[in-house]
Amino acid sequence: QVQLQESGPRLVKPSETLSLTCTVSGYSINSGYYWGWIRQPPGKGLEWIASIYHSGSTYYNPSLKSRVTLSVDTSKNQVSLKLSSVTAADTAMYYCARGPYYGTSYFDYWGQGTLVTVSS
Amino acid sequence: DIVMTQSPDSLPVSLGERATINCKSSQTVLHTSNDKNYLAWYQQKPGQPPKLLISWASTRESGVPDRFSGSGSGTDFTLTISSLQAEDVAVYYCQQYFSAPQSFGQGTKLEIK
Repeated sequence: QVQLQESGPRLVKPSETLSLTCTVSGYSINSGYYWGWIRQPPGKGLEWIASIYHSGSTYYNPSLKSRVTLSVDTSKNQVSLKLSSVTAADTAMYYCARGPYYGTSYFDYWGQGTLVTVSS
Repeated sequence: DIVMTQSPDSLPVSLGERATINCKSSQTVLHTSNDKNYLAWYQQKPGQPPKLLISWASTRESGVPDRFSGSGSGTDFTLTISSLQAEDVAVYYCQQYFSAPQSFGQGTKLEIK
């Protein structure tokens, strides 16, 4: 059974960098698929942030591209997200999810998410 | 960018009755090369992540009850729950994965009347 678990600081100060890690179990990242990050502000809808393939190829939402960095650590079976220069508008539940297709895809497995609050 | 618009925003339905949620894309999500609609539906219950119900507009995921069905093509899509059960109370989202950036509808909150 594929499982994804997000982890990282729950509170980030404005202008700092948000850093999250997604640990995948039950499936080797090296086996394929691509791994996305999606966020959801409290009480609002879903926004795709970016995705990364096991090879390291990345795909970013243009609206966030200048602030986002994705990386993959196949030895730890982890995918990481960094979002720089955060503001209160970046307060959201952050989910990692698996996508069967490179580029654009639906997401068939999701982590439980981690709520990140941007506040001083 | 493709904008996804769902209707209604909120839908009260009696138990056992049919629920219909609509999703409209600002551009076609039908790929003519393979005749596939790049449209997915998700269910999100309170405190839980979204759960994939349907991909390719009408292909139900394994384990999803057959009372859930998806239809439509091009720019207009529908998620139908044939007989509403109490456990179906949730917010439902459509998503296009035809072109980047992939995008979601604003959600439809399904509740018991």
